[in-house]
Amino acid sequence: DGGITQSPKYLFRKEGQNVTLSCEQNLNHDAMYWYRQDPGQGLRLIYYSQIVNDFQKGDIAEGYSVSREKKESFPLTVTSAQKNPTAFYLCASSIEGRVNTEAFFGQGTRLTVV
Amino acid sequence: GENVEQHPSTLSVQEGDSAVIKCTYSDSASNYFPWYKQELGKRPQLIIDIRSNVGEKKDQRIAVTLNKTAKHFSLHITETQPEDSAVYFCAASMMDSSYKLIFGSGTRLLVRP
Repeated sequence: DGGITQSPKYLFRKEGQNVTLSCEQNLNHDAMYWYRQDPGQGLRLIYYSQIVNDFQKGDIAEGYSVSREKKESFPLTVTSAQKNPTAFYLCASSIEGRVNTEAFFGQGTRLTVV
Repeated sequence: GENVEQHPSTLSVQEGDSAVIKCTYSDSASNYFPWYKQELGKRPQLIIDIRSNVGEKKDQRIAVTLNKTAKHFSLHITETQPEDSAVYFCAASMMDSSYKLIFGSGTRLLVRP
C-alpha cells in the first residue's frame, strides 16, 4: 500500500469543534477527491479538485471546507456546521481530473463525534 | 443529476457459484463505468472498468457487461472464492466538466465455503 495517505485513521471530535483530515499523495496526480461513506449509502462526493489552487463542491459540501495549495495535499475540514459528521471519510486521487481514469483511494479516516 | 442504483444490497453465494451485481444509471451521456471492491477495513480498489464503446470486458473470473440502450451494466464473478467476499461498488461518470464519478450504494457479497 502506498501512494495516497490519510491521517489519522481514527478521529474523535467534540460537538462544536472543527477538525481537519489530512490527505497526501505522491502519485503526481492532478485530481483529488473527498468522499463520505455511510452504511448503505455508498460513496458521496464532498469536494473535488481537478488541479492545484482550484476546487469545486460535490453533492454534500455543506459543513465542509477544503484547500488545494499544493498538488500533493488536499485537507478536509469538518466544521461545526456539519450536523451529522460521524462517518468514514475517504480521499482519492486520479491522474487527471478532466478525463475518466482510475481513482486511487486512501485508507480512510473514521470520524466520531463524542 | 446522475443517479446510480445498485442491486442487490446483499448477496450470499456458495463457493464455486457465480455472482451477478446490477447497476442502472440515469445520464445517457455517461461513458465510463468502473467497479470497485472494498474488503473489510480496507480501501476501495478498482477491479474492472468499461467504457461505452464496448459491450463486454473480461479479466479472468470477472466480467462486466454494458447495455447503453437500457442504461444498465453488470458485474459477473464466476467460480467465486471466499476471498471474493467484500463490498462492491459500481460507478458512472458525469459528462459535464466535472468528470466526477457517481457511486452506487454498494453490494455486500458473502461467499460461503
